[in-house]
Amino acid sequence: GDSVTQMEGPVTLSEEAFLTINCTYTATGYPSLFWYVQYPGEGLQLLLKATKADDKGSNKGFEATYRKETTSFHLEKGSVQVSDSAVYFCALNSGGSNYKLTFGKGTLLTVNP
Amino acid sequence: NAGVMQNPRHLVRRRGQEARLRCSPMKGHSHVYWYRQLPEEGLKFMVYLQKENIIDESGMPKERFSAEFPKEGPSILRIQQVVRGDSAAYFCASSPEMRGPGETQYFGPGTRLLVL
Repeated sequence: GDSVTQMEGPVTLSEEAFLTINCTYTATGYPSLFWYVQYPGEGLQLLLKATKADDKGSNKGFEATYRKETTSFHLEKGSVQVSDSAVYFCALNSGGSNYKLTFGKGTLLTVNP
Repeated sequence: NAGVMQNPRHLVRRRGQEARLRCSPMKGHSHVYWYRQLPEEGLKFMVYLQKENIIDESGMPKERFSAEFPKEGPSILRIQQVVRGDSAAYFCASSPEMRGPGETQYFGPGTRLLVL
């Protein structure tokens, strides 16, 4: 079945540091890939997505490239801010009969001033 | 344009009671998903509904849990005779017509259920 494995946290960085959160997946067919962000006490917000191989999703300085050959969708940001502190979830959607999202366990990011 | 709304945001129940969680999708969205987030875990799919139809409930426990999305009103996730293991955050997501796996699901703020 479908699965998503993402980097274990927590990750602690200083402001303006470079961020990478690794995500790899196993899926049937050609899934769409997503990064969602969850701020404390809130629901999930879509951060970015990519729907086919070699697509790059980007938003708010974050980006991730859909790599079919390595089944990966790593999240990167060149310079993090304190306000980026949150839990980041990698997810995939293989379609099929229910279009459910399959999530990784999440990575807690803390950015210190 | 209001987002996905869920209520209550926090719910405390004693073992054996019933919990009813409500979700109002975004305007114009006819597809609703429920997910459960256990402590320090990712979200797990429970059920997928369209208006008046359950499309897939393969992620939902067979006993005590039920879901509906009536023609009028919010979607309801109902948990009967709650147990401590039901304590979790329950998230609802909605989407417009699902044309493919790339369609975005929009999440509500969640209901955090605590069973004493």
